[in-house]
Amino acid sequence: DTEVTQTPKHLVMGMTNKKSLKCEQHMGHRAMYWYKQKAKKPPELMFVYSYEKLSINESVPSRFSPECPNSSLLNLHLHALQPEDSALYLCASSQEGAVGYTFGSGTRLTVV
Amino acid sequence: AQSVTQPDIHITVSEGASLELRCNYSYGATPYLFWYVQSPGQGLQLLLKYFSGDTLVQGIKGFEAEFKRSQSSFNLRKPSVHWSDAAEYFCAVVPYSSASKIIFGSGTRLSIRP
Repeated sequence: DTEVTQTPKHLVMGMTNKKSLKCEQHMGHRAMYWYKQKAKKPPELMFVYSYEKLSINESVPSRFSPECPNSSLLNLHLHALQPEDSALYLCASSQEGAVGYTFGSGTRLTVV
Repeated sequence: AQSVTQPDIHITVSEGASLELRCNYSYGATPYLFWYVQSPGQGLQLLLKYFSGDTLVQGIKGFEAEFKRSQSSFNLRKPSVHWSDAAEYFCAVVPYSSASKIIFGSGTRLSIRP
């Protein structure tokens, strides 16, 4: 299995909702990442987990809450989002360090 | 300042023509270098990467890239483009100083003229 699987592919949520994005990989990678990508822009790093521990938080607002329950799973919990949070959210994994990323196909999030 | 630059925002080439997408980086030491492609609404797919060694790197889908240390460049090339190559292309670097982070250029959108 050489894929990173993200679910759901599309999500529409209200500003008072709580939802979660899920990311799964079975490549034995020990680093996992969340990126946010706005239209016509490059991906921007949000969080890095290394060996299931949060190692980088790029000053992301607390309405985004990451969780790494085990070495194969990465979640992003969403609460009280704003319309400007609408974007493509990409998950990636790699061997330790950032060389050799594998990206998922993303979750298209719309906040209404 | 450390950066990766893609000077071309949008390029249009005719199907069958050759392609070169430019990428320049500004880091003290040669970082790890990558090219990714993204089709609309999709994730990113790795085309090729350079860590060390041979400066001409072969990738998937007929793409290649050449690392030129003297110019701090890592340009992507393809001898003959296909309509399916229309996409957004991102150059990216992983600096030695922060091996957990991948830094993307602003991207180049490639359109193919029939």
